[in-house]
Order: sequence, then C-alpha cells, then structure tokens
Amino acid sequence: QSVLTQPPSASGTPGQWITISCSGSKSNIENNYVYWYQHFPGTAPKLLIGRYNQRPSGVPDRFSGSKSGTSASLDISGLRSEDEADYYCATWDDSLSGWVFGGGTKLTVL
Amino acid sequence: QVHLVESGGGVVQPGRSLRLSCAASGFTFSNFAMHWVRQAPGKGLQWVAVISYDGSNQYFADSVKGRFTISRDNSKNTVYLRMSSLRAEDTAVYYCAKADGYYSYHSMDVWGKGTTVVVS
Repeated sequence: QSVLTQPPSASGTPGQWITISCSGSKSNIENNYVYWYQHFPGTAPKLLIGRYNQRPSGVPDRFSGSKSGTSASLDISGLRSEDEADYYCATWDDSLSGWVFGGGTKLTVL
Repeated sequence: QVHLVESGGGVVQPGRSLRLSCAASGFTFSNFAMHWVRQAPGKGLQWVAVISYDGSNQYFADSVKGRFTISRDNSKNTVYLRMSSLRAEDTAVYYCAKADGYYSYHSMDVWGKGTTVVVS
C-alpha cells in the first residue's frame, strides 16, 4: 500500500479537462514539493511537473499541478489521445527520510 | 542532452548479489544527486535509493535497507546499486534517475530506460 493515495484509474474524452488527485499527510505532501511523472509502459518515466509546480521544457501547458494542505492534483486540459499513460505523484517524506510515490493512475482517453 | 544508461541486470538466484551500473553523460555528473527507482511487474513505481552529489549522504527505502548499497564514482560519471540477499520481490525494472539538484531531497528529473532484474 502506497504512502500517497491516487485513484487507480481515470478516463476522459478528447478535449475534456481531467484532474488526478494525490493524497498524503503533513510529513510528505504538506511539507514538501510534489512532483508528477508520466509513464508509458516500457519506456523511461518523464517529469511533468517539478519544483514550484513548474513544467520542464517541452511539457505542454495543458499540464498543471497544484497543492493544498495534504493533497495535490495534476490537471490536464484539452485531453488528447497521446495523454493515455500512467501518472504518478511523488514527494519527500520527512518521517520516512525517503521518497514516496503514489500508486499510479492509469489514464484512458475514450 | 542528458543520457542515462543502466546495465548489469539479469537473472539471479534468491540470496545472491548483483550490481547495477548507470553511466551518465550530457551534464556535470558531480553536481547532482542520483536515484534508483524500480517497477515490479504489474506494479507502480517504487523509489529505492538516492545518493547526494558527493556521495556523503544516502537514503534507502525500508524494503531494501541493509541489503542494498548505493555508491558513485564521479570520475567515471557512474552510479551503482549493489543488491545483496536478493528476494523474489526484488524482481523489477530498475531505473536510474538524475536529481534536479545536489541533495537527496531533490527529485528525479531525467530517467534512464531501465535494466531488468529477475530473482528466481
């Protein structure tokens, strides 16, 4: 069982706005930056949202991240078929003195 | 362009050891912490270990603490993961990832393609 909780699946139609949630605690999400990764099976995971909710170069502005208290969210606007992938949140956990990932959310574009 | 290439994976018997390597290029290796992250078959990403830019600090997931060690050779631009007392549950694709800063609390920003370890 993951320290960070994500819904196992999400779905939407092209053009739709979708939100993926990530729930944690004070020792992880509330106290630290939250990062989001996109992963296509069999390939290298890709950083989508980094420190200060910034997008690395090349990541479309359709992707955005936010945080409130012990929860964080990844928003994807204008959903596209190529967004169909697994999405993970991650952050440092002060109590564990280590990094923790959410269980991952499989996004399906209908 | 940042490039990370993992090697050393393979099939190993339970209880045995294996050392993974990750060769880095395209950035000043000695200025960045480095992570190992794994994905077991059908499971999500699991962080394994991190080492600071100079090797002075290392942190491990509870599931591997005492069995795995992480080290780096900044003269060779390479980070290593030494895995001992391997168990079936260590079977996974192991990814090397560059951190976005010097220290262990800096997250992964660029990842390699991974190397597969099967403990059987």
